[in-house]
Amino acid sequence: DAGVTQSPTHLIKTRGQHVTLRCSPISGHKSVSWYQQVLGQGPQFIFQYYEKEERGRGNFPDRFSARQFPNYSSELNVNALLLGDSALYLCASSLVARGRDTEAFFGQGTRLTVV
Amino acid sequence: AQKITQTQPGMFVQEKEAVTLDCTYDTSDQSYGLFWYKQPSSGEMIFLIYQGSYDEQNATEGRYSLNFQKARKSANLVISASQLGDSAMYFCAMRGSNTGNQFYFGTGTSLTVIP
Repeated sequence: DAGVTQSPTHLIKTRGQHVTLRCSPISGHKSVSWYQQVLGQGPQFIFQYYEKEERGRGNFPDRFSARQFPNYSSELNVNALLLGDSALYLCASSLVARGRDTEAFFGQGTRLTVV
Repeated sequence: AQKITQTQPGMFVQEKEAVTLDCTYDTSDQSYGLFWYKQPSSGEMIFLIYQGSYDEQNATEGRYSLNFQKARKSANLVISASQLGDSAMYFCAMRGSNTGNQFYFGTGTSLTVIP
């Protein structure tokens, strides 16, 4: 079975532009979460979607938005890119929306560079 | 508030030796889960081991074991018989029963296995 797949793997954008990152969860997984990992830091939570509804949002500006499609794939959109948005964006999928012991499976990430 | 602290930015270990990676946490949740993930240079977060806050025995998964000391709020990862392929970043993470599906990650420890 395929794991979590993200596209593209690498991306270079100019300040002020818009970017869309995509994620396909593991088959059967209905929950998708997005994390931002700045160089030298641990991942920071951005969004969680479950059954196409937003279930959680981290401390990120409104320039960040996301959605989940009927097939449970997800898009993360970032508007008006800033240099500080340069990071590895990770997508994680899990079977259920919550639970302290619910394992999350991560994709390989999208490396976004804003110049 | 949830917080994960990893105080070792970098660690070195001789091949075939054991190494302990430190992790302390702070949470207001009574029920929570503690996770360790490995992140190679490719970027993907690979799940290693899980410990629930009410689990009385320390978790073990092959060469990985988690030294859980609840009173000290520590969840150290022990890797036995280190291999060259263990060289990577290691992240401690926590999820609480009241915080949905959101992981809180530490800043990570870079492990280098020396031949």
